[in-house]
Amino acid sequence: KQEVTQIPAALSVPEGENLVLNCSFTDSAIYNLQWFRQDPGKGLTSLLLIQSSQREQTSGRLNASLDKSSGRSTLYIAASQPGDSATYLCAVRANSKLTFGKGITLSVRP
Amino acid sequence: DAGVTQSPTHLIKTRGQHVTLRCSPISGHKSVSWYQQVLGQGPQFIFQYYEKEERGRGNFPDRFSARQFPNYSSELNVNALLLGDSALYLCASSLATSGAYEQYFGPGTRLTVT
Repeated sequence: KQEVTQIPAALSVPEGENLVLNCSFTDSAIYNLQWFRQDPGKGLTSLLLIQSSQREQTSGRLNASLDKSSGRSTLYIAASQPGDSATYLCAVRANSKLTFGKGITLSVRP
Repeated sequence: DAGVTQSPTHLIKTRGQHVTLRCSPISGHKSVSWYQQVLGQGPQFIFQYYEKEERGRGNFPDRFSARQFPNYSSELNVNALLLGDSALYLCASSLATSGAYEQYFGPGTRLTVT
């Protein structure tokens, strides 16, 4: 059974700091991994998708890496801003479903 | 182009009642998946449908059922509601069922059971 872990559950950083969010998964037989952002009470916004054959993806200030063999992914956020405050979820895709972690709630202090 | 749409946005039901949630996928997408997100947790997979057939089912009781229509829209039905069914219900669509295809999520339906 696939399990996805995100630690810590919450993180608070000052504005401007570069930060890394970690995600680990137990079964390396995945098609892809996605990082999502979720604002309180809202749906999911896809940030980055990395196919299993890829090592990383970049979008603006975000960079996500994937090491499938070790079951790890990181989301790097450069020059964090208060508007980045949200919950960040990673999810791995195998067969018909996505398996999600519980998310990391990020707070960026002005 | 319109994204995934869900209705209603919010609803409140009483224990024991039945509820129907609706989802319209992105135009051209033939696969719809449903997820339940309880407060403080990540979304949990409920169902996947493709071409009107169930292609995957998560670990949910038989009170949960779904169907997909010829226009690829979908309904999620929950019978005999329990307090624990209170959650955000998310619908996602994709071109097909292959894991290579990205799933795009709708805004969700917030269900409160009292």
